Amino acid sequence: GESVGLHLPTLSVQEGDNSIINCAYSNSASDYFIWYKQESGKGPQFIIDIRSNMDKRQGQRVTVLLNKTVKHLSLQIAATQPGDSAVYFCAETDSGGGADGLTFGKGTHLIIQP
Amino acid sequence: DSGVTQTPKHLITATGQRVTLRCSPRSGDLSVYWYQQSLDQGLQFLIQYYNGEERAKGNILERFSAQQFPDLHSELNLSSLELGDSALYFCASSPRGRALMSHEQYFGPGTRLTVT
Repeated sequence: GESVGLHLPTLSVQEGDNSIINCAYSNSASDYFIWYKQESGKGPQFIIDIRSNMDKRQGQRVTVLLNKTVKHLSLQIAATQPGDSAVYFCAETDSGGGADGLTFGKGTHLIIQP
Repeated sequence: DSGVTQTPKHLITATGQRVTLRCSPRSGDLSVYWYQQSLDQGLQFLIQYYNGEERAKGNILERFSAQQFPDLHSELNLSSLELGDSALYFCASSPRGRALMSHEQYFGPGTRLTVT
C-alpha cells in the first residue's frame, strides 16, 4: 500500500498461516471501529467493522476482536493468501451526534512470504 | 470498486496556486468525508458533509474549504498551496442517513496532489 509514515510496522507471515494485526486506540469515547486494507495505488478498502457493544465479529476469513478495557483492537486473517499483502489500518470514531470522521492508526504492512 | 469516484487522479501545480478536487459519492450515500494521506501525518480526517451541510471538521487548514452540492457530489478547494500540501486526498462516503446505524465509510481511489 501507500507508505504511511517513515517507520511503518511490518508483519511478515508465511502463505497459509494466520495473521494477527494489532492496534491500540486512544479515545475512550470511541464506539465504532473499522479495519481497512490499502493496496499500492488504491484507496483504503473496507474489511470489517465492530461496535463497542461487541467484543468479537467475524467475516469471511477475518475476525476482529475488541478489548475496551485496554483499548485494543486486533484483526485476524485466516489462511493468509498472497492477495492479502497490503497496509492495514485500524480506524475509530465517536459516532454520537452524527459527526463520525475517522481517526486512523499508523498502519501495519503485511507481507506474505511464499 | 467502492462506487466512490474522484477526479482528477493526479494533479501537479505550483506553490501559491489553487486547485479543486471533486468527489462523487456512492449512489444514495448522504455523507461525504475528505481525508489527507501524507508520509509524515498518515491518514487524517479533514471534513464531513451530510446532505449538503457541514457536519464535522477535523485537521483542515483555513486555506482549505469544501462544499457538498444538491446532487451530493463534493468539492475540496485547496488554496495558497505549499510544498507540504503534497499528498493523497481521499473522499469517502457513508450510507449514514439511509441507515442511521451504518457508519462504514467507502473510499474513492484518491487524487494525488504534487505541489512544486
